[in-house]
Amino acid sequence: KAGVTQTPRYLIKTRGQQVTLSCSPISGHRSVSWYQQTPGQGLQFLFEYFSETQRNKGNFPGRFSGRQFSNSRSEMNVSTLELGDSALYLCASSPGAQDIQYFGAGTRLSVL
Amino acid sequence: GQSLEQPSEVTAVEGAIVQINCTYQTSGFYGLSWYQQHDGGAPTFLSYNGLDGLEETGRFSSFLSRSDSYGYLLLQELQMKDSASYFCAVRALTGGGNKLTFGTGTQLKVEL
Repeated sequence: KAGVTQTPRYLIKTRGQQVTLSCSPISGHRSVSWYQQTPGQGLQFLFEYFSETQRNKGNFPGRFSGRQFSNSRSEMNVSTLELGDSALYLCASSPGAQDIQYFGAGTRLSVL
Repeated sequence: GQSLEQPSEVTAVEGAIVQINCTYQTSGFYGLSWYQQHDGGAPTFLSYNGLDGLEETGRFSSFLSRSDSYGYLLLQELQMKDSASYFCAVRALTGGGNKLTFGTGTQLKVEL
């Protein structure tokens, strides 16, 4: 069974641009969560989608948004990029409302 | 809100036993998880405690005391490959979803 796949692995953008990151969950998993990881803040929860509905949201500004498609694939979008958005963005999937989350390798975003 | 505290760094020698503590403050607590992350890698699930007591999985054990809002991860027979960051994460039931709040991580260094 393939694991969680995130694309692209690396991304360089400039301030003010927008970016879209993609996540393909493990086959059969309906819950997809997104996290931002930075050296200073650790892993911070962005949002969780289940069956195309956002079920939970973290404390991030509205520039951060996401969506989930009928095949459970998910995308997150960050608009008007700021230098502080430079981070590793991790996607995790789980079968349902369970604790075990399986993480992808992440997308490393650098904002210049 | 939710907050977790864990030591930032722990050093131990190969073959030894090490304990990584985690204290938390949260509402709607449902369970405590532990994840391991090697440099440049994705977090991987290690253990979960939904009820008080000890859970054992091979060389790794995890303990939870809900009344003390405290848990720990115990690693036995340390190996060099155990050098990694270890995160405790609280699962809270909000919006019926699967929201994990992570601690800032404990970097474990295993020395010869």
